[in-house]
This record gives sequence, C-alpha cells and structure tokens, in this order.
Amino acid sequence: DIQMTQSPSTLSASVGDRVTITCRASQSISGWLAWYQQKPGTAPKLLIYKASTLESGVPSRFSGSGSGTEFTLTISSLQPGDFATYYCHQYNTIQGTFGQGTKLEI
Amino acid sequence: EVQLLESGGGLVQPGGSLRLSCVASEITFSSFAMTWVRQAPGKGLEWVSTISRSRGSTYYADSVKGRFTISRDTSKNTVYLQMNSLRVEDTALYYCAKGVHGQTDDAFDLWGQGTMVTVSS
Repeated sequence: DIQMTQSPSTLSASVGDRVTITCRASQSISGWLAWYQQKPGTAPKLLIYKASTLESGVPSRFSGSGSGTEFTLTISSLQPGDFATYYCHQYNTIQGTFGQGTKLEI
Repeated sequence: EVQLLESGGGLVQPGGSLRLSCVASEITFSSFAMTWVRQAPGKGLEWVSTISRSRGSTYYADSVKGRFTISRDTSKNTVYLQMNSLRVEDTALYYCAKGVHGQTDDAFDLWGQGTMVTVSS
C-alpha cells in the first residue's frame, strides 16, 4: 500500500496568515492527489483534486501543487472558517489512502 | 438536492453483522463508482471498499477483505455494505462517497453524512 505522510500534524496560525501543509507519498502517485477539509461533526469536503485543480465553489485562497511524491496545500490568507482538519488522499490506486490529517487551529 | 444518505448503523456485538445502505439522490447513479470510507472516533479517514459503475467490480481494504461485501442496486440508486464477522476495530462512522469522474480510482466530491457503527460487547 502507498503510505501518505502529512506534516505538520498540528498547525497554529492566525486569521490572515499564509499557511502550507505538506503531504508525502511513499512512492510516486503522479498527480493523483486530493485535499479535503473536515470540520467537527461534518463529512469531509473536497477542496482540490488532481493535485492542483480547485473544486467548484472552493475559494481561490486555496491552492495545491506538487507531483510524484511531494505535494502541498496552501491557504493564502486564513479566514475564520478555515480552522479545521485537512487530509490529503492519494487515488493513484483503487485502494486509496489518506494522510493522518493536519489540524489547523487558532 | 444532490445528496447521499446513509443508514443501517447501530450497536452490534463482536462477530455480528450489519448492512449499511446509501441512497443517492439527484445524480446519475449508474455513471459513478461508489465508495465506503470510515472514520474511527477521533481518528483519520480510511478507504474501505469501492464498486465500479458498470460491471460491478469490487475492491476492498485488506482490513475488511473476506468479511465485508459491497453491492449496488441501480434501480434503487442504492449502494450497500454488508458487514459480517464484525470486530471492535470496525467501530467507526461510515461514509459513502461518489467520485468526481465516476472512476474507481477517484477523488470524492460528494459525501453522505455518515452512519455510526459500534462493535462492542
């Protein structure tokens, strides 16, 4: 199985900050990577797929980059509603795997 | 409204069985592979199983292979997860999800609200 490692596990930031979350794959997944946002008590929400394609309706302050084994999610200017947990997800194989999550807190 | 609605969760003893259902509304159900993803309390997301859109090919995580069976009924816009020989470690919120492009290997752009499965004596 392909292992996905996110860093950091927890990130403290303030409104207006620019933050970056990293996801590393244990082997190349080309660009088959998605990012999700999850708030407590709710289902994950797709933000980005194919490493850098913004899902419809997602604000442009979210962006993704990377290919192969290293990927990043950047939020350019944090808004109050962005404090949540973020997961990366590789779907290079049908047996997709998720990162362990990054909790973004105030 | 485009949505997925899961049901069938509950409390079951170790070794028991449950069948989860996920009904899709306002999507062309037959055009999409469907997937179950679970989340243990306070933990991350784990892919469980996927069924393809056409020939009904099925795929399972090693942790559930041989115990869980995914199926779909296109006439009812419903995907099922039959869970047998349940273990304490199967305790989780089970989500069904639809892929962006309808493929078996896909990102998930639509999720249900989840149904809780608790395995405990």
